[in-house]
Amino acid sequence: QQQVKQSPQSLIVQKGGISIINCAYENTAFDYFPWYQQFPGKGPALLIAIRPDVSEKKEGRFTISFNKSAKQFSLHIMDSQPGDSATYFCAAGVLNKFYFGSGTKLNVKP
Amino acid sequence: DAGITQSPRHKVTETGTPVTLRCHQTENHRYMYWYRQDPGHGLRLIHYSYGVKDTDKGEVSDGYSVSRSKTEDFLLTLESATSSQTSVYFCAISVPQGAGEYGYTFGSGTRLTVV
Repeated sequence: QQQVKQSPQSLIVQKGGISIINCAYENTAFDYFPWYQQFPGKGPALLIAIRPDVSEKKEGRFTISFNKSAKQFSLHIMDSQPGDSATYFCAAGVLNKFYFGSGTKLNVKP
Repeated sequence: DAGITQSPRHKVTETGTPVTLRCHQTENHRYMYWYRQDPGHGLRLIHYSYGVKDTDKGEVSDGYSVSRSKTEDFLLTLESATSSQTSVYFCAISVPQGAGEYGYTFGSGTRLTVV
């Protein structure tokens, strides 16, 4: 049973547009929700993370929106750039143990 | 980078042979993890460790074993490799990010092919 469901599987966005990736979870014990960015041939790298006591967190062009009642969270990439083209993973977990979504491959067209 | 290295980077092995992958960290972090990455499945937890000789199973632990005899090393062993274990394997450590936050730092991965 997949602990974290992520959509879409792939996404194409024009340069300057907004990229939105969505995730949902079931386990209400989860208390930390990070996002990771992965470039080809590399390991995933931590991008931004949020705790369930806040509804939004913004770092530069990246924003996490969190809806605790719906058990959903999303990543918004504002002013998307070709350099943002990568695979993005959401994760959810507790006590240093995380489950990952299946990933979204983002392609930002110039 | 947090100082985490995986070896080997690539390996081709035959079905039925044992294989050991190594993860080494230089910063004395307590938590270490092994994940496998497959298309359509994302990253799935195989085993993790919360200290020397303290390990536990993850989502997809069947066919894998781990050992952690030193803080800096976490070994993943495929006792008898099968084609379904062809994958990219990532080691990760949990690193404090400050203000009560934490995140994983991943190694560069090991691409394992079982033929």
